[in-house]
Amino acid sequence: DIQMTQSPSTLSASVGDRVTITCRASQSISFWLVWYQQKPGKAPNLLIYKASSLESGVPSRFSGSGSGTEFTLTINSLQPDDFATYYCQQYNSYPLTFGGGTKVEIK
Amino acid sequence: EVQLVESGGGLVQPGGSLRLSCAASGFTFSTYWMSWVRQAPGKGLEWVANMKEDGSLKYYVDSVKGRFTISRDNAKNSLYLEMNSLRAEDTAVYYCAKYSGSYGIESWGQGTLVTVSS
Repeated sequence: DIQMTQSPSTLSASVGDRVTITCRASQSISFWLVWYQQKPGKAPNLLIYKASSLESGVPSRFSGSGSGTEFTLTINSLQPDDFATYYCQQYNSYPLTFGGGTKVEIK
Repeated sequence: EVQLVESGGGLVQPGGSLRLSCAASGFTFSTYWMSWVRQAPGKGLEWVANMKEDGSLKYYVDSVKGRFTISRDNAKNSLYLEMNSLRAEDTAVYYCAKYSGSYGIESWGQGTLVTVSS
């Protein structure tokens, strides 16, 4: 199974900050990685697919990069609505696996 | 607009069974793979199962193999998860989701809570 390791697990930031979350795969997954945002009590929401493609309707301050085993999600100019938990997930092979999540908190 | 509405969750005793349903609308259900994903209280996301458009392929996470069965009825635009021999560690919100090879899990339902407890 491919293990996905996210860091940090918690991040404290202020409105306007640039935030970077890292996701590492235990083996190469090419670009088959997605990023989700989840708010308390709600279902996850797709932000980025194929490592760097922005889902329709998602603000352009979100961006993804990487390939192989190392990936990043960047949020430029953090907004109040962005305080949430973020998950990466690989869909290169079964079983599909998620990272442990990164909670972005208000500093 | 894609809509996925889960039902069938509830409280069940260890060793018991439950069947979850998911009603899909807003897209051509019969042309998409579908998924179940769960989230234990206060924990992260865990993929449970995937099923191909025509039902010919199914994949499961190891922890549910032999106990859970994913199925679908394309005529009714519905996805199901039959859960047997339930354990306390199966307690979670179960999400129905639309899946594609390009986008991964594209759309999610609101989830249904399954609690396994005596």
